[in-house]
Parts: sequence; structure tokens; C-alpha cells
Amino acid sequence: EAGVTQFPSHSVIEKGQTVTLRCDPISGHDNLYWYRRVMGKEIKFLLHFVKESKQDESGMPNNRFLAERTGGTYSTLKVQPAELEDSGVYFCASSPLAGGPDTQYFGPGTRLTVL
Amino acid sequence: GDSVTQMEGPVTLSEEAFLTINCTYTATGYPSLFWYVQYPGEGLQLLLKATKADDKGSNKGFEATYRKETTSFHLEKGSVQVSDSAVYFCALPPLNSGNTPLVFGKGTRLSVIA
Repeated sequence: EAGVTQFPSHSVIEKGQTVTLRCDPISGHDNLYWYRRVMGKEIKFLLHFVKESKQDESGMPNNRFLAERTGGTYSTLKVQPAELEDSGVYFCASSPLAGGPDTQYFGPGTRLTVL
Repeated sequence: GDSVTQMEGPVTLSEEAFLTINCTYTATGYPSLFWYVQYPGEGLQLLLKATKADDKGSNKGFEATYRKETTSFHLEKGSVQVSDSAVYFCALPPLNSGNTPLVFGKGTRLSVIA
């Protein structure tokens, strides 16, 4: 069974540019989470989809971040325009709808560097 | 809100040394507690868990005991190997239900040298 995949693995962009990160969850997992780890700090929650609906987006830092999950399968996270403080590793995780708190499976992350 | 405090890294140990990574938490109620590990180039993996006070989680030679009285969940291993080099994260689910985001500590990078 394929795990959670994320693309790209690394992205280096200039301040002011746009970047789109993609996450493909495990097939059949209705829950999809985005997290971010800024250098040396905690992994922080950004938002949570249940199927195609945003269940909780309380962790989104500002309106430069836009997440979508059309059709309830893969998800994209767009940062527009990117700022220096957006640099970090963006993780995606998925879990089944009826899973317990220990059923989140994580992708390898996308390392974003904004210059 | 709920939070996790983890000892700062990096930690560098020689092979076969004893490892302790401290983790304390602040939470409403008694959530499950987790340790995740991220090996180079891979995603976070659940290493071990404990679901109630005095439970001991264990996996791959690692252990952690849920201590309610000290609100701690320290990770230990008696004899580390080079292959244990990774970043370790302590975490908890604030609502202790399935569909909830996790709260993580800052992570501790462990390097084991031969």
C-alpha cells in the first residue's frame, strides 16, 4: 500500500513568488491534515480536511495560504505571495475517518525555502 | 491550550550509550501520548504510544512511561545504534479523539556515532 506522498520534496523560490505544494493521502483516508515546521520550532497544525470540506483551518497563518481538496482526494496548499517567514517543512498527514488519534500517517514533507 | 515541551537538541551519543529525551506536557484531562520519529528523507512515523497513566509504550528498544504525577513521557533506550539517528517528536492529541490535529514538541535531533 502506498503511503502519503508529497510533491515537491524541495522548493526554493524568491520572496513574492507563488508556490503550490501537493499531498496525496493514503487511498480511502478521508481525513487530511497539513502541518508546518519552521526551523527549530514545533510542528504546528495548519488545517484539516474531512473529504473535500475544511473541518478546521484555525492554524492557517494568514490569507496568503490557500488549501484545496477538490474531490476529496489529493490536496494542494498554495502560498501567494511567499514571504521569508514561510520557509520551513510542510507535512501532510492522512487518517481514516473512524481512526483513533494514533492513525495519522505522515508524508516525508516538502522543504520550502523562500529567499 | 495543550502543549508539549521537549528537551532541546541536538544530542550526540556514541553507539551503545544510554538515551533519554525528556518530554513534559500540559493538557486538559489525560490524553494519549506519542513519540514520533523522523528518519532522514522519510515522513514522521509513530514510534510508540501510551493511552493512560502508568502505561509504558515500547518499540524497537525504546520505552516511555506515562507519568501523570510529573506530566512527563520521557523517551529512553538502553543502547542506541547508529540507525537510531533521527529526529524525535513528542506529541499528544488535545481532544483524544480520532479526528483531531496533533500537538507536537520542537523535536530533538539525535546523532549516534560509531
